[in-house]
Amino acid sequence: QVQLVQSGAEVKKPGASVKVSCKASGYTFTSYDINWVRQATGQGLEWMGWMNPNSGNTGYAQKFQGRVTMTRNTSISTAYMELSSLRSEDTAVYYCAREAFTGMDVWGQGTTVTVSS
Amino acid sequence: QSALTQPASVSGSPGQSITISCTGTSSDVGSYNLVSWYQQHPGKAPKLMIYEGSKRPSGVSNRFSGSKSGNTASLTISGLQAEDEADYYCCSYAGSVVFGGGTKLTVL
Repeated sequence: QVQLVQSGAEVKKPGASVKVSCKASGYTFTSYDINWVRQATGQGLEWMGWMNPNSGNTGYAQKFQGRVTMTRNTSISTAYMELSSLRSEDTAVYYCAREAFTGMDVWGQGTTVTVSS
Repeated sequence: QSALTQPASVSGSPGQSITISCTGTSSDVGSYNLVSWYQQHPGKAPKLMIYEGSKRPSGVSNRFSGSKSGNTASLTISGLQAEDEADYYCCSYAGSVVFGGGTKLTVL
C-alpha cells in the first residue's frame, strides 16, 4: 500500500540541527511532490515547504527560508527535511505529505522533535 | 502570508449538518479554486477530505462536501456521526501554501 514512513523522535539542544527522513513505498517516488508540515502541541498545521523528488526543486515558506533544507535520495525513495539553528519554538511534530491534485493525500506518521537544553 | 480564518469551534448533534467556514483574501481563496480540507483526530496525522474546493478523494464519505463563495470556502458535513468529532483544517494554494487555524468539531 501507498505509505510514507518517517524516522523516529529526536531530542536536540538549542542551536543544533535536525534531519528527518520520509521513506516512500507503494508508488513511484519521483512522480509526486513532497510537502513538509509541522504542528506544535495544541496548535494548528504549519506548512514549511515542498520538494519535487524528480528534479530536486524546492520551495520554502518565507518563515523558514535560510534555516530549512529539503533533499532526497531517489535510489531509496526517501525525502529529507533538515532544520538548523533550532530553538524551543521548533518543538513540534513534523509531517511529510505527498502532494496530489492540489491536496496532500498521503501523510507520514509524524516525527516528534523536541528542542531543549 | 497570513493564516486563513476559521471558527475555533463548531458543534452539532448526530444526524444534523454543520458548516465550517474558511476566510482568506482575493489573493488566495478568492483567486483560485484550490482549497483543500483535512480532518485530524487526536494524536493522528491529518487526512485529506476535500481537494480543489469540492472534490472528494476516493474513500471519503459523500457526507462531506466543499464549496466557495468569494473569499470564503466552506466544508459541510451532513448526517453528523460521532466519528466526525475531530479538528478540521482548510488549506489554500496561492503561490505558497497556507493553512487555516483549525476548527474543533464537537458532536453533542
